[in-house]
Amino acid sequence: EAAVTQSPRNKVAVTGGKVTLSCNQTNNHNNMYWYRQDTGHGLRLIHYSYGAGSTEKGDIPDGYKASRPSQENFSLILELATPSQTSVYFCASGGDGERLFFGHGTKLSVL
Amino acid sequence: AQSVTQPDARVTVSEGASLQLRCKYSYSATPYLFWYVQYPRQGLQLLLKYYSGDPVVQGVNSFEAEFSKSNSSFHLQKASVHWSDSAVYFCALNNNAGAKLTFGGGTRLTVRP
Repeated sequence: EAAVTQSPRNKVAVTGGKVTLSCNQTNNHNNMYWYRQDTGHGLRLIHYSYGAGSTEKGDIPDGYKASRPSQENFSLILELATPSQTSVYFCASGGDGERLFFGHGTKLSVL
Repeated sequence: AQSVTQPDARVTVSEGASLQLRCKYSYSATPYLFWYVQYPRQGLQLLLKYYSGDPVVQGVNSFEAEFSKSNSSFHLQKASVHWSDSAVYFCALNNNAGAKLTFGGGTRLTVRP
């Protein structure tokens, strides 16, 4: 079974601070994703990547950056965190058109 | 543009009853379609997927879904639900040309014992 590991599991940040969420996958998948999950909105795609060195904007990229330094790692960066970014963030990996494997999520609270 | 709509945010059924969770999609061609389930405090897990061919696909735990191109739908069904099926269910679409996967808003299923 593919493994996707997110860190941290929980994070409390202050408004205006920088937050980095990390994701690691061990199954050599080309594609990696960052979603946020909010009540009433389901999962919304923030950024995704086709491979090392690539990042693509998803449906709600504003206020977020992404970094894919290697096949295994994909980070989500909030340069200036705001309370509206309080959410649960999920990382996932997979191939084109294939099922995704999800991490357990990161609960972020921005105060 | 691609989109997925799950018109029912919450569904409650009694244990042993049949179930249908609705999913409608918008896409110009035939997409790849998925149903995922999310149990409390966990990530999403794949239930089943449709790529082509037989419009009725079987998944894990006796779930099945039927693809309808004419109705742009991919409804999830189960003949007899168990209390352990209580979870949030997501329908998702991939445009089969690349990596982007779009999810619906989810349906929270509650099964009464």
